Amino acid sequence: AQSVAQPEDQVKVAEGNPLTVKCTYSVSGNPYLFWYVQYPNRGLQFLLKYITGDNLVKGSYGFEAEFNKSQTSFHLKKPSALVSDSALYFCAVSLFSGGYNKLIFGAGTRLAVHP
Amino acid sequence: DGGITQSPKYLFRKEGQNVTLSCEQNLNHDAMYWYRQDPGQGLRLIYYSQIVNDFQKGDIAEGYSVSREKKESFPLTVTSAQKNPTAFYLCASTGAGLMNNQPQHFGDGTRLSIL
Repeated sequence: AQSVAQPEDQVKVAEGNPLTVKCTYSVSGNPYLFWYVQYPNRGLQFLLKYITGDNLVKGSYGFEAEFNKSQTSFHLKKPSALVSDSALYFCAVSLFSGGYNKLIFGAGTRLAVHP
Repeated sequence: DGGITQSPKYLFRKEGQNVTLSCEQNLNHDAMYWYRQDPGQGLRLIYYSQIVNDFQKGDIAEGYSVSREKKESFPLTVTSAQKNPTAFYLCASTGAGLMNNQPQHFGDGTRLSIL
């Protein structure tokens, strides 16, 4: 079955430290991968995507993600965390299945950045 | 500004009642989606529509119904057959058509609770 896993329910980091939010996937073919962020009682906001090309993808708010095909991973990173980065982060893989585009989401990782 | 508007923000359902959640977009997107979000489960697809007057069931369509009479609008009805409707409901859209490499845009959600 095609799936996305975010192995950590929560990640805690100190402000100014680097952060990593992990994501692994299990899909057939070449995946299109996405990261979204959700603030309380809000919808999801797109951060970045990997389609093809350079394995290091840069996105919004200083975030970047590294695609690793051999490890089937797409970890989200930021060199220096801010308290305002505290939110719920979702990894997703896009599939074309049954005639439509479908996003499969991980369960989400809650990032807490403390001062 | 272009975007997706969901209303109401909060909604309460009585026993045996059908309720309708509104989703309107001015992004000129063809495809629209409804997701259900429960804590710790990520997002699950309820229904999707690729074009006006056409829609398909997603992974958890039982107890829900939709219509797509206009390109801009994709309302979701939570029927009395949905026995556990308490959740956060998110509407999304994309102009990607058959290309699945574009991000989905999300509304700010409707939180549905049982009275």
